[in-house]
Amino acid sequence: EAGVAQSPRYKIIEKRQSVAFWCNPISGHATLYWYQQILGQGPKLLIQFQNNGVVDDSQLPKDRFSAERLKGVDSTLKIQPAKLEDSAVYLCASSSLPTNYEQYFGPGTRLTVT
Amino acid sequence: GENVEQHPSTLSVQEGDSAVIKCTYSDSASNYFPWYKQELGKRPQLIIDIRSNVGEKKDQRIAVTLNKTAKHFSLHITETQPEDSAVYFCAASRRRTTGTASKLTFGTGTRLQVTL
Repeated sequence: EAGVAQSPRYKIIEKRQSVAFWCNPISGHATLYWYQQILGQGPKLLIQFQNNGVVDDSQLPKDRFSAERLKGVDSTLKIQPAKLEDSAVYLCASSSLPTNYEQYFGPGTRLTVT
Repeated sequence: GENVEQHPSTLSVQEGDSAVIKCTYSDSASNYFPWYKQELGKRPQLIIDIRSNVGEKKDQRIAVTLNKTAKHFSLHITETQPEDSAVYFCAASRRRTTGTASKLTFGTGTRLQVTL
């Protein structure tokens, strides 16, 4: 089966600009996660969707980050305006059932904010 | 919330030797413990996982052990090979009150270097 797809793979922007990332989960996977991975650290959850509803966005900086998952399939994560500390890899993951713990990750989008 | 600590941060072993990475967790309700391997510039890949109703699980050269009482779990890699060189992350998860799987809380990672 095809894996989790993400685009773009790399993005360089200046601070205060906006950026958007796209994720297409594994077909049929109802749960979608966005993680932020800062260099040298483990991934940190930003937001979790169950179909098109938000399950957990407690660690999402809502003043600048937003995410949506219309129609319960693809998802977009947006940052506006970006800060230098947003430089990181943004990973999308999906799992097949609400109670299925196994998460499969996409290749990530490496964001550099200058 | 859950806190996962991982040790060591770096580990260098000779090819053929064994490697052990240890993690502790804080939330006694956590019941799922995966291990991910991440090569430079690539996605984290699930290599093995264990649930709280099992004490040990093995898959070829890798094994994971879980001690629920002490709230720690370990990854064991035997007969290490150069291609095992990567960053390894442990993680912990539990079921939410809503019934959905919760987020993964990751450890800080262990950089494993297998030398010839």
